[in-house]
Amino acid sequence: KQEVTQIPAALSVPEGENLVLNCSFTDSAIYNLQWFRQDPGKGLTSLLLIQSSQREQTSGRLNASLDKSSGRSTLYIAASQPGDSATYLCAVGWEGSQGNLIFGKGTKLSVKP
Amino acid sequence: NAGVTQTPKFQVLKTGQSMTLQCAQDMNHEYMSWYRQDPGMGLRLIHYSVGAGITDQGEVPNGYNVSRSTTEDFPLRLLSAAPSQTSVYFCASSVQGAGANVLTFGAGSRLTVL
Repeated sequence: KQEVTQIPAALSVPEGENLVLNCSFTDSAIYNLQWFRQDPGKGLTSLLLIQSSQREQTSGRLNASLDKSSGRSTLYIAASQPGDSATYLCAVGWEGSQGNLIFGKGTKLSVKP
Repeated sequence: NAGVTQTPKFQVLKTGQSMTLQCAQDMNHEYMSWYRQDPGMGLRLIHYSVGAGITDQGEVPNGYNVSRSTTEDFPLRLLSAAPSQTSVYFCASSVQGAGANVLTFGAGSRLTVL
């Protein structure tokens, strides 16, 4: 069964720290991987999408990497700010899945001022 | 640009009642889907559609029906509500399959079944 795992479930860091969120997935035949942000009581906002042929994507202070062979992706957040506090979810689309995504359970990030 | 609009935002039902959660998108997206989000379970796919007139089941379809008569709308029907269907429901869409394109989510509908 295809699964997506995110560790840790929660993370607390002081403001200004660089941090890495981890995502692992079974089965390397993925189509793409997406990182989302979810604020409490809100919907999900797409942050970065990495196609299976890519190694990384960057947007501002965010950098996502993909290593298909090891079944891992990381989301790097530089110079964290209190406004980065949210739950970050990783989602994987596999080949033959008709475009559907399987989500990890997320990492809840708290950035302390 | 409204994006993905879900109504209602909150709903309380009694066991056995039926209702429809509405989802509309104005981006001309072919792919639409419904997820439910439960504490400790993450997001799970209920039903999805790859175009008007085409629907299929996801991971947890039991107790739910969908239809896709237009590109814009993808309603989710609860036939006979049960307490196990208490959850937050999200509708999402993308240009084509979510595996190829960014998935855009609605703000969610919180459903409580008593």
